[in-house]
Amino acid sequence: GENVEQHPSTLSVQEGDSAVIKCTYSDSASNYFPWYKQELGKRPQLIIDIRSNVGEKKDQRIAVTLNKTAKHFSLHITETQPEDSAVYFCAASRGTSYDKVIFGPGTSLSVIP
Amino acid sequence: DVKVTQSSRYLVKRTGEKVFLECVQDMDHENMFWYRQDPGLGLRLIYFSYDVKMKEKGDIPEGYSVSREKKERFSLILESASTNQTSMYLCASSPKLAGEQFFGPGTRLTVL
Repeated sequence: GENVEQHPSTLSVQEGDSAVIKCTYSDSASNYFPWYKQELGKRPQLIIDIRSNVGEKKDQRIAVTLNKTAKHFSLHITETQPEDSAVYFCAASRGTSYDKVIFGPGTSLSVIP
Repeated sequence: DVKVTQSSRYLVKRTGEKVFLECVQDMDHENMFWYRQDPGLGLRLIYFSYDVKMKEKGDIPEGYSVSREKKERFSLILESASTNQTSMYLCASSPKLAGEQFFGPGTRLTVL
């Protein structure tokens, strides 16, 4: 079955610096890749997603890149702020009916003021 | 706004008890999911349902069952709770499987 790996497991950056989280997946048929953010004590929420027909997607300070050949995708956060501190989960899915989304183990990001 | 609610935020049960966790969504979503969240392991899928009375096993279904009698409600059942089922349980719903999932607030279950 699909397996999603995520690195690093923890990440600390200075406020204003960039943060990059990388994920790899095993199922070459995967074509939908969402990213979720979970703040302490709160529920996960979707922050950005990408489908396999594009290589990059941006939304203000966050961007996701996808390399289908290498089966990896990354989340980039620029100009980090303390409110970016959270656990981030990547996920992968085939994107077809009745197909489940498989989550990575998560990255705990700390932004130091 | 999509609202996904779970019956309890915190629950303490004893080994061997039958435990019911309920999830309700108000957005007419076809798909509903149950995950457990443990430190370092991410979100692991227990069961999901893509229609009323339909269910599919996720990655860790052992020791659990589910029920979906109505579209808006998805219940997770621990037939005989064990200490290794102490965890945070998250419910989610989505309008389609490969789309945004909306999560409930979670139930922290402790089995003594």
